[in-house]
Amino acid sequence: DVVMTQSPLPLPVTLGQPASISCRSSQSLVYSDGNTLLNWFQQRPGQSPRRLIYKVSYRDSGVPDRFSGSGSDSDFTLNISRVEAEDVGIYYCMQATHWPHTFGQGTKLEIK
Amino acid sequence: EVQLLESGGGLVQPGESLRLSCEASEFNFVIYAMSWVRQAPGKGLEWVASLSGEGGTTYFDPYYADSVKGRFTISRDRSKNTLYLQMNSLRAEDTAVYYCAKGDWFDSWGQGTLVTVSS
Repeated sequence: DVVMTQSPLPLPVTLGQPASISCRSSQSLVYSDGNTLLNWFQQRPGQSPRRLIYKVSYRDSGVPDRFSGSGSDSDFTLNISRVEAEDVGIYYCMQATHWPHTFGQGTKLEIK
Repeated sequence: EVQLLESGGGLVQPGESLRLSCEASEFNFVIYAMSWVRQAPGKGLEWVASLSGEGGTTYFDPYYADSVKGRFTISRDRSKNTLYLQMNSLRAEDTAVYYCAKGDWFDSWGQGTLVTVSS
């Protein structure tokens, strides 16, 4: 199975400051068609997960543009340009290139 | 807006069975892959099973996590726009909130249904 490793796990951030989450995979996530199937999800407290980013860098509809994804092959990053209070929650990366699809451990973003 | 509504969770004893349902609306349910993802209390997300869409360009046989293979079955009823997860021989470690998700990239999620396996 592909192991997804996120860092940091707790992420304390000051409101208005940037935040960055790293996600590394144990294998390349480049699919046979050339796409890289790495997604990011946000889970706010008490809510269901919500997808933010798919295929490394494509934002889902309704996702604020302060969220951006980057990376390639096996090294990926989720960036939040200016953290707002509503961004508190747990962020997961997930690979959909290989079966079984696997998630990272989750990074808990909290406000300092 | 995509709507996914899970039901069927509850408290069962080890070894018993349960069937979860996920009623889908506001999208063409038949052509999309569908998945189940679970989250044990206080833990992270774990993919459980995925079922291919019908009539699309990408077909795959149902996939299952090793932890549930042989015990869980994913299926759909096209006429009811409903996804199912039949769970047999339940174990304490199956205790979790079970989410239905659209696609195998999980682009939309339901609100989840809690399954508790305990004697």
